[in-house]
Amino acid sequence: AQSVAQPEDQVNVAEGNPLTVKCTYSVSGNPYLFWYVQYPNRGLQFLLKYITGDNLVKGSYGFEAEFNKSQTSFHLKKPSALVSDSALYFCAVRLGSNDYKLSFGAGTTVTVRA
Amino acid sequence: DGGITQSPKYLFRKEGQNVTLSCEQNLNHDAMYWYRQDPGQGLRLIYYSQIVNDFQKGDIAEGYSVSREKKESFPLTVTSAQKNPTAFYLCASSTHRGGGTNEKLFFGSGTQLSVL
Repeated sequence: AQSVAQPEDQVNVAEGNPLTVKCTYSVSGNPYLFWYVQYPNRGLQFLLKYITGDNLVKGSYGFEAEFNKSQTSFHLKKPSALVSDSALYFCAVRLGSNDYKLSFGAGTTVTVRA
Repeated sequence: DGGITQSPKYLFRKEGQNVTLSCEQNLNHDAMYWYRQDPGQGLRLIYYSQIVNDFQKGDIAEGYSVSREKKESFPLTVTSAQKNPTAFYLCASSTHRGGGTNEKLFFGSGTQLSVL
């Protein structure tokens, strides 16, 4: 079965510092990987995805993620965090373009302090 | 919220009662989904529908039912058989047979269901 794991429940960083949110995946084929962000009491918003091609994917709000097949990881990164980046971040995986089931990780709460 | 409207925002259920959560989208998307969000557990798929008049069970379908009579609407009924219904419910949609830039999900703002 496909799955993703987010090993950190919480990540705390100071504004202006680099931000990394970790994600590892487990699928039997080629994964389609996604990052979504959830602000308080809101639905999720798409940040970025990896389908194929370049291992470094750039997304919304200055975020990027690096696909590492050997380590089965898809960590989310931002070079300089903002207080407004404080939110709940979810990694998700889908197995192929015909697979409609998107499996989400448990989420990582990011707090950026001023 | 990307053209998806969920209502109500808050819903209370009495024991033994069925309640229905509404989800409407005006994005002309073929696929629609219902997820349940519990603290520390991420999102779990309840049901999804790829096309009108067709839907499939997700990972936690027991105690829930859906219908897809119109492309724009995908209501979720939480039945009395669902013994632990308190959660945040999210509806989403996406284009059919997503490829390239069309695979992302658009989410509604959610419904918080609580048991009285």
